[in-house]
Amino acid sequence: EDQVTQSPEALRLQEGESSSLNCSYTVSGLRGLFWYRQDPGKGPEFLFTLYSAGEEKEKERLKATLTKKESFLHITAPKPEDSATYLCAVQAVGYGGSQGNLIFGKGTKLSVKP
Amino acid sequence: DTGVSQNPRHKITKRGQNVTFRCDPISEHNRLYWYRQTLGQGPEFLTYFQNEAQLEKSRLLSDRFSAERPKGSFSTLEIQRTEQGDSAMYLCASSYPSTTNEKLFFGSGTQLSVL
Repeated sequence: EDQVTQSPEALRLQEGESSSLNCSYTVSGLRGLFWYRQDPGKGPEFLFTLYSAGEEKEKERLKATLTKKESFLHITAPKPEDSATYLCAVQAVGYGGSQGNLIFGKGTKLSVKP
Repeated sequence: DTGVSQNPRHKITKRGQNVTFRCDPISEHNRLYWYRQTLGQGPEFLTYFQNEAQLEKSRLLSDRFSAERPKGSFSTLEIQRTEQGDSAMYLCASSYPSTTNEKLFFGSGTQLSVL
């Protein structure tokens, strides 16, 4: 069964304390891996798409990397405004033709204290 | 505001009642998705429209659920004979097709509580 697992479930950091979030996936064939950010009471907001092992994407304090079995979201010197739930999702072969039919993980809830 | 709009934001209903949610996608987006999210879980795909055609439906979408997108603009999701297990956040997303990167734009969702 195709599956996405994120760890840790929750992460508390001090402002400036860098860390990484993990997303491991088991799919029959990977079309793409996505990272989204979700604030309380809002819908997910797109961050990155990764397509092949070795690929990296960066945006401000965030950097996403991809291997054949997992992806990492590295957060460098986080600020309180980075506090949110970070969701990982995959688009797998056999899940229809649309690129928006995604399998999401449960997310990692990040809290950054000043 | 040019984002994805969902109404109502909150809906409380009694078990057995019918409810309908509306989604207005970003105007130039021809693809529209419905997802469901329960507390502590990631969103789960329900259904997908390209223009007015419903092209994909999840096994999660029981016969009590129906979605429409007349004229390829706004979409509605109706749940008939609601059950307590239907309580969730219903999210709508839209996108413009891309060969390399289909970015989904989500609305803020409709929170359904079935009493």
